[in-house]
Amino acid sequence: DTGVSQDPRHKITKRGQNVTFRCDPISEHNRLYWYRQTLGQGPEFLTYFQNEAQLEKSRLLSDRFSAERPKGSFSTLEIQRTEQGDSAMYLCASSSQEYNEQFFGPGTRLTVL
Amino acid sequence: GQNIDQPTEMTATEGAIVQINCTYQTSGFNGLFWYQQHAGEAPTFLSYNVLDGLEEKGRFSSFLSRSKGYSYLLLKELQMKDSASYLCAVSGAGGGNKLTFGTGTQLKVEL
Repeated sequence: DTGVSQDPRHKITKRGQNVTFRCDPISEHNRLYWYRQTLGQGPEFLTYFQNEAQLEKSRLLSDRFSAERPKGSFSTLEIQRTEQGDSAMYLCASSSQEYNEQFFGPGTRLTVL
Repeated sequence: GQNIDQPTEMTATEGAIVQINCTYQTSGFNGLFWYQQHAGEAPTFLSYNVLDGLEEKGRFSSFLSRSKGYSYLLLKELQMKDSASYLCAVSGAGGGNKLTFGTGTQLKVEL
């Protein structure tokens, strides 16, 4: 396992469409995080899973956003009825319970037209 | 709210030493991280401090003072490839394990 992977790497969609992104964490990591990053800013926390349980969601996350991690391995992030303000890089990170370091995937760049 | 401050931009010369400062005011603290991010790429882990003091790792060192809410990243023997954004992040701000990031410091290394 070479690290965290994300799919797709790029997504262009029209306003109002739904999109889904996938993240595969490092295999022995039980913690998984989603962040969003816009140009010139640091990543902003969206949500966090420990195994299959979603333990924390940002208050900034609207009800158009939903995330799952059904078997405690890969995770999906869905955005419904996309808006132009959703355009950003969506980053996934994973960590083990023993060590705090979070390792990031390459990200999915979303452009909403 | 959670507040993490770092300079927006810095410029340094190849071969020199540069120090990037980060101050934080957060409710909750589990540790402080530094990440490097090249344009269009994901952040890569550089260092982690949970106790006060200096952690050295090759050309990179990171310092933490919890009582002052202060950290710095020290880069020695700068190389052109060190031109990147350097992100300071606090774990545990507001509770939990999430990272709360500063806006990043864009470092430009010149000849």
